[in-house]
Amino acid sequence: NAGVTQTPKFQVLKTGQSMTLQCAQDMNHNSMYWYRQDPGMGLRLIYYSASEGTTDKGEVPNGYNVSRLNKREFSLRLESAAPSQTSVYFCASLKDRGFWSPLHFGNGTRLTVT
Amino acid sequence: DQQVKQNSPSLSVQEGRISILNCDYTNSMFDYFLWYKKYPAEGPTFLISISSIKDKNEDGRFTVFLNKSAKHLSLHIVPSQPGDSAVYFCERDGSGGSNYKLTFGKGTLLTVNP
Repeated sequence: NAGVTQTPKFQVLKTGQSMTLQCAQDMNHNSMYWYRQDPGMGLRLIYYSASEGTTDKGEVPNGYNVSRLNKREFSLRLESAAPSQTSVYFCASLKDRGFWSPLHFGNGTRLTVT
Repeated sequence: DQQVKQNSPSLSVQEGRISILNCDYTNSMFDYFLWYKKYPAEGPTFLISISSIKDKNEDGRFTVFLNKSAKHLSLHIVPSQPGDSAVYFCERDGSGGSNYKLTFGKGTLLTVNP
């Protein structure tokens, strides 16, 4: 059981280039999330998708777009990368709401923008 | 706005001693609080949780205490082991499970010295 899979694991971009980070989960979870982790800043929520067909902004959405392709897949796109977007990006999924359940995270994509 | 704050960026303890990690929160609603553990180059993983209707939840060496009057929760690890060295994040899950915008504290880096 793979859980949450993120690709690629590492990426180096030049300023202004674009790229899409891919995320897929095989747990039949309804909700999916994108976070970034920066030193001293913890985990900050970029975008989330409560269910297939919906997406919403998180704490730091500027410079990013997302697509909930289907129930399994949730991609994050950087249209014009900036050095400030150098970070480690984590995708996560959540089974359901209604009471509580923990997030399940992928192992991250380390992105460097030069 | 739901907020959790982890005011200690780092903590260092000796193997076998107690580690205490803290988290403060604002507002007062029916909540769940979750703790996650993160090793380098891996995604965070769920560790333990507590409902706001309880004061304490225990799982092996890990105990969470919730002080509702002080809006404070703490994670106790006894005895601490070198393998516990990681970043610990607290997450607040409020609104009785209807909120999808899940945010974290900035994390505390725990180092357990042999």
